[in-house]
Amino acid sequence: DTEVTQTPKHLVMGMTNKKSLKCEQHMGHRAMYWYKQKAKKPPELMFVYSYEKLSINESVPSRFSPECPNSSLLNLHLHALQPEDSALYLCASSQGLAVRSYEQYFGPGTRLTVT
Amino acid sequence: QKEVEQNSGPLSVPEGAIASLNCTYSDRGSQSFFWYRQYSGKSPELIMFIYSNGDKEDGRFTAQLNKASQYVSLLIRDSQPSDSATYLCAVAPPGGGNKLTFGTGTQLKVEL
Repeated sequence: DTEVTQTPKHLVMGMTNKKSLKCEQHMGHRAMYWYKQKAKKPPELMFVYSYEKLSINESVPSRFSPECPNSSLLNLHLHALQPEDSALYLCASSQGLAVRSYEQYFGPGTRLTVT
Repeated sequence: QKEVEQNSGPLSVPEGAIASLNCTYSDRGSQSFFWYRQYSGKSPELIMFIYSNGDKEDGRFTAQLNKASQYVSLLIRDSQPSDSATYLCAVAPPGGGNKLTFGTGTQLKVEL
């Protein structure tokens, strides 16, 4: 089973709203990721949690705030977003760090529109 | 700047033919390579991964890795219209690590 779930599927929010995206996996993976993808572009890494600790922040603006409550859950809190933040937000997971990189499995994504 | 390059396409092949998708990478020390398929409006789906030089086969898919020439390929045999999608090549940094470098993807169109 390589399932990563994400909620909601679609989200429309105003620039003054606060919302959260949620991601869950039950594969025992110890690394979880947030990516942002614009149309016709590859996924762009935002954050990586490894063993529930933030290990990579790709200089993402503070209006995006990640949280990893436990090894199965990953949240992305959104506040005061801009219209250019509209994109497909993808969660992924993989096994933990080793001498080689493990396969990353993506969830279905949340289509975010900022108005 | 580590790079992964793919021809953006579209690559058009007739149904039943072999589709050949190529990817080159700049970091000679890279060890892990992944192919994702992405349908329009959907998320990327991992379809192949390869870590050793040579070929790896899974059903109609074959991944080929040549570390000396720094390229990785994906062959799709007996192409079907349902294979029409964008194929993303991703390369991991040397020594492991979570940060994949993605190519810009190749759009494949399988025509009836």
